[in-house]
Amino acid sequence: EVQVVESGGGLVQPGGSLRLSCVASGFTFSNYWMNWVRQVPGKGPEWVGNIKPDGSEKYYVDSVRGRFTISRDNARNSLYLQMDSLRVEDTAMYYCARDRGARTADCWGQGTLVTVSS
Amino acid sequence: DIQMTQSPSSLSASVGGRVTITCQASQSISDSLNWYQQKPGKAPKLLICAASSLESGVPSRFSGSGSGTDFTLTINSLQPEDFATYFCQQSYSTPRTFGQGTKVEIQ
Repeated sequence: EVQVVESGGGLVQPGGSLRLSCVASGFTFSNYWMNWVRQVPGKGPEWVGNIKPDGSEKYYVDSVRGRFTISRDNARNSLYLQMDSLRVEDTAMYYCARDRGARTADCWGQGTLVTVSS
Repeated sequence: DIQMTQSPSSLSASVGGRVTITCQASQSISDSLNWYQQKPGKAPKLLICAASSLESGVPSRFSGSGSGTDFTLTINSLQPEDFATYFCQQSYSTPRTFGQGTKVEIQ
């Protein structure tokens, strides 16, 4: 079964840091672009960024560029999101999602909740 | 960035009924439009890609149409499991962007 599972969410103060992880199974992880997408409850999803299969290219939405870093470890079938200088507006459910190509995510995890609050 | 606007934001319908949801892009995106279904507490599920191509395993009562800036998701013969929130997403350019969602509720 194709599956991705996120972890690492929690409560953090503004200005703090958090690292999210995503473990993939059921497919050849090293062949796929991978994404992070976030969603505030009751709102539409927001694409955060993605990373090329070999990790050599990364793209981010403007609101997180310079604060968030996406990385991957293909030997561990794992994707990461390092979030620094967190803001209240970063509060959301964060999803890991596999890209099938053409900017289309065809497999999403259940998400991990990040809450930024003092 | 391309803005995606869905309407309505919510609607009520009966089992067996027909539902139409529209999505408008702020600029032409050809047929680069995906539709997702999301149930409470669950991740989005890809239903339709490239405006009208049904994903494997998705019932044929779902259909998508449109090109350019205006798109439609239609659900015929609504089933209890179809009550959910639906999002459109443009796959034309980076950053990919989503609509705000349409919640389909039981009448």
